Amino acid sequence: QSVLTQPPSVSGAPGQRVTISCTGSGSNIGAGYDVHWYQQLPGTAPKLLISGNSNRPSGVPDRFSGSKSGTSASLAITGLQAEDEADYYCQSYDSSLSGWVFGGGTKLTVL
Amino acid sequence: QVQLVESGGGVVQPGRSLRLSCAASGFTFSSYAMHWVRQAPGKGLEWVAVISFDGNNKYYADSVKGRFTISRDNSKNTLYLQMNSLRAEDTAVYYCARDNADTSGAFDIWGQGTMVSVSP
Repeated sequence: QSVLTQPPSVSGAPGQRVTISCTGSGSNIGAGYDVHWYQQLPGTAPKLLISGNSNRPSGVPDRFSGSKSGTSASLAITGLQAEDEADYYCQSYDSSLSGWVFGGGTKLTVL
Repeated sequence: QVQLVESGGGVVQPGRSLRLSCAASGFTFSSYAMHWVRQAPGKGLEWVAVISFDGNNKYYADSVKGRFTISRDNSKNTLYLQMNSLRAEDTAVYYCARDNADTSGAFDIWGQGTMVSVSP
């Protein structure tokens, strides 16, 4: 069981908007630690998608956005495209564990 | 270009040891903390260990503490993970990743991964 909780799967039609939630606790997200999001396409290494809760690295389309509030964070993807079909992971730091933690991952299916 | 390349994976029997390497290029390796992250087949990402830019500070996940050792050689731009007393549950793809303070400590560069299989 992951310290950060994500829905196992989400889906949407091309062009639609989807959101992926990431729920933590007072020792990680709620303690003020930043949340980062990664995209993992099938058979490839993870790729940084959103850093510091809401910042997009160079080259990441503005269709991807992140937010954080309280003990949770969210990743939003607008204008869904077939190429967005991947696994998405949230990540933060946990002071109780003294280590970095990932969500269990969410599989995005583009219908 | 900025790149991390892992090597050293393979098939090993339970209780044996293996050392993974991660060769860095295209950036000043000695300026960055580095992590190992693993992914068991069909499962999610699990953080394994971190080492500070100068090698003086190291932290481990409870699941590997006392068995795995992270180290680095900044003169060779290489990160290592010494894995001892391997167990079946250590079977995974192991990734090295760069920790970038400029991106709030996100893991901004990842290697392609190296597979470790622990099997009798």
